[in-house]
Amino acid sequence: GAGVSQSPSNKVTEKGKDVELRCDPISGHTALYWYRQSLGQGLEFLIYFQGNSAPDKSGLPSDRFSAERTGGSVSTLTIQRTQQEDSAVYLCASSLDPSPYNEQFFGPGTRLTVL
Amino acid sequence: AQSVSQHNHHVILSEAASLELGCNYSYGGTVNLFWYVQYPGQHLQLLLKYFSGDPLVKGIKGFEAEFIKSKFSFNLRKPSVQWSDTAEYFCAVNGDNFNKFYFGSGTKLNVKP
Repeated sequence: GAGVSQSPSNKVTEKGKDVELRCDPISGHTALYWYRQSLGQGLEFLIYFQGNSAPDKSGLPSDRFSAERTGGSVSTLTIQRTQQEDSAVYLCASSLDPSPYNEQFFGPGTRLTVL
Repeated sequence: AQSVSQHNHHVILSEAASLELGCNYSYGGTVNLFWYVQYPGQHLQLLLKYFSGDPLVKGIKGFEAEFIKSKFSFNLRKPSVQWSDTAEYFCAVNGDNFNKFYFGSGTKLNVKP
């Protein structure tokens, strides 16, 4: 596709359930980022992937959060035992390579609501 | 840790008014600075960026930003706004870890026709 895509666009879940959020980066982009945007807050860095290198997980808020990137392309963010404070918009971005000189292209986000 | 502050959360202007959105960051080293914009119903997109050189950078749609190192600021400006500039604007910075970008909380700009 022409841009970064994310699915689902909206997800409503009950507290304690696990959720998976998907990101399809732009073809050929080796760097992939996940961010979280809570209501009234800026984007919070979660995790970064670059090719086959070990991801930078330093932004993950707890061990309930994990992410993987298969084949250097599609990425899945998993939140286990969801809590109400996990409600947010989860954004994915990709760039050609990890250099900050390359623009990050953002997807439309997944709005997660935990009841 | 680095942080970014955008003190104006919501700005309302009439068309043709001048715009200045504040952005301050906390980091003493070399930084790369960005402004992103999110138009209603659209994805975040890059407006402009600063890496080095001339501290006054020009971006798309007539926007510009000035890096003032002594003030740790990177304010966004536009001499004359249009209704189509209605959007949310985010300032971002990265420094010691180029993998990590720190974003401000955003400023919602509403331009009245």
